[in-house]
Amino acid sequence: QSALTQPASVSGSPGQSITISCTGTSSDIGNYNSVSWYQQHPGKAPKLMIYDVSNRPSGVSNRFSASKSGNTASLSISGLQAEDEADYYCCSYSSSSTPYVFGTGTKVTVL
Amino acid sequence: QLQLQESGPGLVKPSETLSLTCTVSGGSISSGTYYWGWIRQPPGKGLEWIGSVYFGGSTYSNSSLESRVTISLDTSKNRFSLNLRSVTAADTAVYYCVRSLPSLWSGYDFWGQGALVTVSS
Repeated sequence: QSALTQPASVSGSPGQSITISCTGTSSDIGNYNSVSWYQQHPGKAPKLMIYDVSNRPSGVSNRFSASKSGNTASLSISGLQAEDEADYYCCSYSSSSTPYVFGTGTKVTVL
Repeated sequence: QLQLQESGPGLVKPSETLSLTCTVSGGSISSGTYYWGWIRQPPGKGLEWIGSVYFGGSTYSNSSLESRVTISLDTSKNRFSLNLRSVTAADTAVYYCVRSLPSLWSGYDFWGQGALVTVSS
């Protein structure tokens, strides 16, 4: 199975907004609404930030929002804060041989 | 609050079987609402989904690992396990046990802290 494609790195200054893309195919993102996003700080377990394309679990800041269009999903972070510096992974259900596929990961740097 | 805790050997020899257990507290794996599974992360690399199991018996796994993986539930001890056979150095990773949202493919909302397993002679 192929991983979903994310940019290796994205950066922004405090207070700015950034967007991370996640590109898949019609076998995953394009035809299913089971897209999720995870935040991972160094040495820590990942944390679910978004599920089912655009839903935030309880306790996740509303500075995090997400959407999808065609075969690409996007995670946006507004009002960027130092604590947002982390790795971010998208994930999607896939109708291919492996039903759950992660993205390649994006390192977010707060300048 | 639900908590998951991985346990098992931190060092496994090549060709042997990697065995990890995830003990669940603050909730029951027999509730029939959630899937329980494993995700791994090689050092310095990205996440890889291994598989998930449901109380009712359904299991799903990564096709690249399917022939070597068994995930099972022990409801009497409220824990679940991962067995990965015939390991190589490529199986060296931090292994996380996880719980899914009620809809399996929606995402995993609870994670263990992770257990580093090194495959080496």
